Amino acid sequence: GENVEQHPSTLSVQEGDSAVIKCTYSDSASNYFPWYKQELGKRPQLIIDIRSNVGEKKDQRIAVTLNKTAKHFSLHITETQPEDSAVYFCAAPRGASGGSYIPTFGRGTSLIVHP
Amino acid sequence: DSGVTQTPKHLITATGQRVTLRCSPRSGDLSVYWYQQSLDQGLQFLIHYYNGEERAKGNILERFSAQQFPDLHSELNLSSLELGDSALYFCASSVSLKGQPQHFGDGTRLSIL
Repeated sequence: GENVEQHPSTLSVQEGDSAVIKCTYSDSASNYFPWYKQELGKRPQLIIDIRSNVGEKKDQRIAVTLNKTAKHFSLHITETQPEDSAVYFCAAPRGASGGSYIPTFGRGTSLIVHP
Repeated sequence: DSGVTQTPKHLITATGQRVTLRCSPRSGDLSVYWYQQSLDQGLQFLIHYYNGEERAKGNILERFSAQQFPDLHSELNLSSLELGDSALYFCASSVSLKGQPQHFGDGTRLSIL
């Protein structure tokens, strides 16, 4: 089945710096890669996603890049702000019977942005 | 607000008991996914329903069961509860069978005493 590794587990940056979180996956058939932000005690929120037919996607200060050959994708946050502090999860799907896809999540990265 | 409603928000019960968690998906979404999140295990997929039918199972214990009703709401039943079942239980919904993307509810925090 799909194996997703996420690094680093903790990332501490100064406000205004950039942050990069990387995930690697094992199933070459995976074709959809979402990123979720989860604040303490709250639900995971989808912040950006990318499909395998593109290499990069941007949304304001957030971008995701995908390297299908190397089987890794990364989340880039520029000009970080204290409110970016949260746990970030990546996910990659694996196919299941009957056309269903099951997301496998990375273990999460705790991002701390110091004012 | 994701549009996915989970009840109750908190549940405190004792070992050996049985509880039912409820999820109402976003309007128009046919897929419901259940996840368990504990401190040391991250987000673990439990089970997926699409339009009333079970479509995929993950690491769901035999003590746990779920169903999706004709109105598309879903229930997760947890029985013979153990201390290790204490966790946040999330449901997520999606319009498609592929579940891309998924929108999460606020979760039910289950505490076993």
